[in-house]
Amino acid sequence: ETGVTQTPRHLVMGMTNKKSLKCEQHLGHNAMYWYKQSAKKPLELMFVYNFKEQTENNSVPSRFSPECPNSSHLFLHLHTLQPEDSALYLCASSQAFGSMYEQYFGPGTRLTVT
Amino acid sequence: KQEVTQIPAALSVPEGENLVLNCSFTDSAIYNLQWFRQDPGKGLTSLLLIQSSQREQTSGRLNASLDKSSGRSTLYIAASQPGDSATYLCAVTQGGSEKLVFGKGTKLTVNP
Repeated sequence: ETGVTQTPRHLVMGMTNKKSLKCEQHLGHNAMYWYKQSAKKPLELMFVYNFKEQTENNSVPSRFSPECPNSSHLFLHLHTLQPEDSALYLCASSQAFGSMYEQYFGPGTRLTVT
Repeated sequence: KQEVTQIPAALSVPEGENLVLNCSFTDSAIYNLQWFRQDPGKGLTSLLLIQSSQREQTSGRLNASLDKSSGRSTLYIAASQPGDSATYLCAVTQGGSEKLVFGKGTKLTVNP
């Protein structure tokens, strides 16, 4: 266990549904990340929050909406997704955002869009 | 734009063999390089982190080297075991953006 938990672990949703992914870290970190891992593609950074402020949006479509209410929790709100959005979504946290801070990853949420 | 390439994409070896996984990156302006392990359907576990000023790091049966000028890193696994079966990911922390850039990984299978 890395101290980063994600729920749900698996999610199947239709293209018209609205759902949310949740990430929680118990490490006292101040930076949290969302990554997308698609089949046969490298892990892609989606969003970064540092001290609850969004510092990175890696050209992610607006159908993905992040929320960081406090340093311990991170959400990814999903609506009107496409089948190509099916992937493993990984959350990570680090002490702060920067090259000297190691990132700790959660187990991921396997999302299937039908 | 930084690109990280891992060769081979998949590797199958008998138990006990020593093996090398390769990682290359196109932009040498990195802060550090990490090797991660990912088990099926699970998150990433950090194995080794090499700072840009270092040449290698060791942890148990694992040894990672870094040649920043040539844009290459290797992960050496000694006396492989079936429990080593997983996907191994290489990632560099990009200078300037400070973001992790990942390779696609090498899927390792160690056969008993």
